Amino acid sequence: EPEVTQTPSHQVTQMGQEVILRCVPISNHLYFYWYRQILGQKVEFLVSFYNNEISEKSEIFDDQFSVERPDGSNFTLKIRSTKLEDSAMYFCASSANREEPQHFGDGTRLSIL
Amino acid sequence: DQQVKQNSPSLSVQEGRISILNCDYTNSMFDYFLWYKKYPAEGPTFLISISSIKDKNEDGRFTVFLNKSAKHLSLHIVPSQPGDSAVYFCAARRSGYALNFGKGTSLLVTP
Repeated sequence: EPEVTQTPSHQVTQMGQEVILRCVPISNHLYFYWYRQILGQKVEFLVSFYNNEISEKSEIFDDQFSVERPDGSNFTLKIRSTKLEDSAMYFCASSANREEPQHFGDGTRLSIL
Repeated sequence: DQQVKQNSPSLSVQEGRISILNCDYTNSMFDYFLWYKKYPAEGPTFLISISSIKDKNEDGRFTVFLNKSAKHLSLHIVPSQPGDSAVYFCAARRSGYALNFGKGTSLLVTP
């Protein structure tokens, strides 16, 4: 069964550094998403991306965050200057269209020191 | 911002019996609801969904019920199996793209 793959599984970064989280969505999917889950809290929406532009973003997704689809297969989340509170599990998801369920990857655990 | 609430953090059920997981929501604009299952160190796995125009959707052992007037949905698993032990998340969506998740209910199915 096709799946969303995320790399790396764990990323440790010094505060203030830039970090890029990578995702390969399911190949025929057109809608891409990032979510995060801070330890002990609920999964929170960050951003959705369709047709090479952001279609929706949450309050969390401020100017420190950006997304990109650099080629036909990858979807990335960049955090420009990481803060301690960015430590979380980041999940990438994709869907064939807006009405279809979103399918999630296994996540990247981001630890900011 | 607790638009989706799962008030039971955990549930224990015997193998073969019914598991009922509950979810309440506050936003009447939600039009699509989903249940996800999550094992440790894995991402959420889609289980079943329901549109707000329906009140029931069934897929094998899993049935989701939606009560719009009570702003309540539930997931029934019959019969429960030990492999069903996981954290179950309820999620809801309005007209946009974002899924709003509950905090999850940890289900333990004992032999």
